Amino acid sequence: NAGVTQTPKFQVLKTGQSMTLQCAQDMNHEYMSWYRQDPGMGLRLIHYSVGAGITDQGEVPNGYNVSRSTTEDFPLRLLSAAPSQTSVYFCASSYSSGRFDEQYFGPGTRLTVT
Amino acid sequence: DAKTTQPNSMESNEEEPVHLPCNHSTISGTDYIHWYRQLPSQGPEYVIHGLTSNVNNRMASLAIAEDRKSSTLILHRATLRDAAVYYCILRDGFGNEKLTFGTGTRLTIIP
Repeated sequence: NAGVTQTPKFQVLKTGQSMTLQCAQDMNHEYMSWYRQDPGMGLRLIHYSVGAGITDQGEVPNGYNVSRSTTEDFPLRLLSAAPSQTSVYFCASSYSSGRFDEQYFGPGTRLTVT
Repeated sequence: DAKTTQPNSMESNEEEPVHLPCNHSTISGTDYIHWYRQLPSQGPEYVIHGLTSNVNNRMASLAIAEDRKSSTLILHRATLRDAAVYYCILRDGFGNEKLTFGTGTRLTIIP
């Protein structure tokens, strides 16, 4: 299994541009989520999905959209990039959202908005 | 979400045991205690979790206080590859979807 994959690894955007961060998993996991990590801080939840066709907001959803058309893929869209969105973005998946389910994280996408 | 408190940083010598503490005085009866770690420039990875009893796996041991207000992650023989930020996280008993990460403990291993 490849696990959780993310593309691209690095991206530089200008303010106002849009882009999509890709996330895919091959473990048939129902639950997927997106986090952002700012320097020196822990991860904060942006959006999550408990299954295909179902998404919900996390702690910091503003400026981001998600959709879940398949079990495998969970793309994160930045609608109009702002310097405050400069961060490292991690995608994660788990079998379910249960309290004892291990979450698997991707390697991250480092985004810089100038 | 119930909060956890961890030291900002710790150091340990290579090949010695490491005890990473976590305080969670407001833990509820159905909260599970999870530990994740994040190696440099990587995503977090699961280490271990428990509810009441001490737990062991191939990576580490988790010792939980009898009153559950604190826990300790034990790395039995630290290697340089264990240098990472370690996060202690509580997950509630009702299928809470998110992991709430604090700032964790940065563990430095001294060769």
